[in-house]
Amino acid sequence: KQEVTQIPAALSVPEGENLVLNCSFTDSAIYNLQWFRQDPGKGLTSLLLIQSSQREQTSGRLNASLDKSSGRSTLYIAASQPGDSATYLCAVTNRDDKIIFGKGTRLHILP
Amino acid sequence: DTAVSQTPKYLVTQMGNDKSIKCEQNLGHDTMYWYKQDSKKFLKIMFSYNNKELIINETVPNRFSPKSPDKAHLNLHINSLELGDSAVYFCASSQGDSYSGANVLTFGAGSRLTVL
Repeated sequence: KQEVTQIPAALSVPEGENLVLNCSFTDSAIYNLQWFRQDPGKGLTSLLLIQSSQREQTSGRLNASLDKSSGRSTLYIAASQPGDSATYLCAVTNRDDKIIFGKGTRLHILP
Repeated sequence: DTAVSQTPKYLVTQMGNDKSIKCEQNLGHDTMYWYKQDSKKFLKIMFSYNNKELIINETVPNRFSPKSPDKAHLNLHINSLELGDSAVYFCASSQGDSYSGANVLTFGAGSRLTVL
């Protein structure tokens, strides 16, 4: 059974710092992995999607990597800003077509 | 202009009532989903429909019944509401299915259900 774990559960960093969020999954037979952002009281916004054949994806200050064999993904945020404060969720799409989410990392950027 | 819209955004009701949450997407996507986010913020899939056909039906009580009149709509009907049904329910959609390996989920803003 696929399990997705995100560490840490919460993180506070000063503005301007670079940071890394971690995601691990137990079954490497996935189609893809996605990183989402969830703001309080709002829906989820897809940030990056990495297909199983890819190693990384970049969008602006965000870079996501995927190491399928070790069951790990990281989301790197460069030059953090207060507007980056949110909960970041990692989700994998299994071969049985199910999308499994981690519990998220609550990120707080200190002004 | 909203891509995935859910109504209502907030719903407060008594135990035992029957309620529905509606979801519509104007993205032309083939697949729609319902997710439940519990008090610990854990998102779990409930149902998935592809072109009006049920694809995923997780272990949810049969009091929950999804209805897809067309591929742009996926409504969630809940009978005999219980306290444990209180949660935020998210609708989502994606183009194609997972076999294409490139499905990006677009989520609605969520519907917060409170059962008293």
